[in-house]
Amino acid sequence: GAVVSQHPSRVICKSGTSVKIECRSLDFQATTMFWYRQFPKQSLMLMATSNEGSKATYEQGVEKDKFLINHASLTLSTLTVTSAHPEDSSFYICSANPSAGSSYEQYFGPGTRLTVT
Amino acid sequence: AQSVTQLGSHVSVSEGALVLLRCNYSSSVPPYLFWYVQYPNQGLQLLLKYTTGATLVKGINGFEAEFKKSETSFHLTKPSAHMSDAAEYFCAVSPRGGSNYKLTFGKGTLLTVNP
Repeated sequence: GAVVSQHPSRVICKSGTSVKIECRSLDFQATTMFWYRQFPKQSLMLMATSNEGSKATYEQGVEKDKFLINHASLTLSTLTVTSAHPEDSSFYICSANPSAGSSYEQYFGPGTRLTVT
Repeated sequence: AQSVTQLGSHVSVSEGALVLLRCNYSSSVPPYLFWYVQYPNQGLQLLLKYTTGATLVKGINGFEAEFKKSETSFHLTKPSAHMSDAAEYFCAVSPRGGSNYKLTFGKGTLLTVNP
């Protein structure tokens, strides 16, 4: 149980285009999902907290118009990187907090490798 | 504000040797504590967590960690390393109370296991 999927696992896009990454909780409902960014050989940096049915809460320094988050259902959150540039290349990981579980539980997706050329 | 310090960005052990990965936290109130493992190009898998109760916590794959409030530590150990343990390990904390449990991660420790 408690499986989180991400799609796609890898994506290569050209500079200036937009890319959408999906995060799905497969066997549970998640009121809250989190989006992280991880640079090579570094730790995870929280980008934003995604709440179902409301606006996402972005961490300081994260551009909300650049990284659009939509949490339209209890099992799906999407992150859209708009007008991507090479510096947006990174490993993006989502996690989901089960609605019926303890508030501190987070289950992580397998990550999406974004490369912007 | 909370913070997590993982001493040693890289730990190398021989197969069969003791594994000790260090984690110290800074928080006005003891937080929830977690250890995660990450294999290359993969997401994070929870090894174990401390929320309340017994301070020695056992997790998956033979790992355990002990919460020591006086030392503000939550070190991860395994008696005998296996080649499959080679991975990146992250210590993380989450505040007690409130409604939004954001995780704060340490910088990670890369564990290599030599044959």
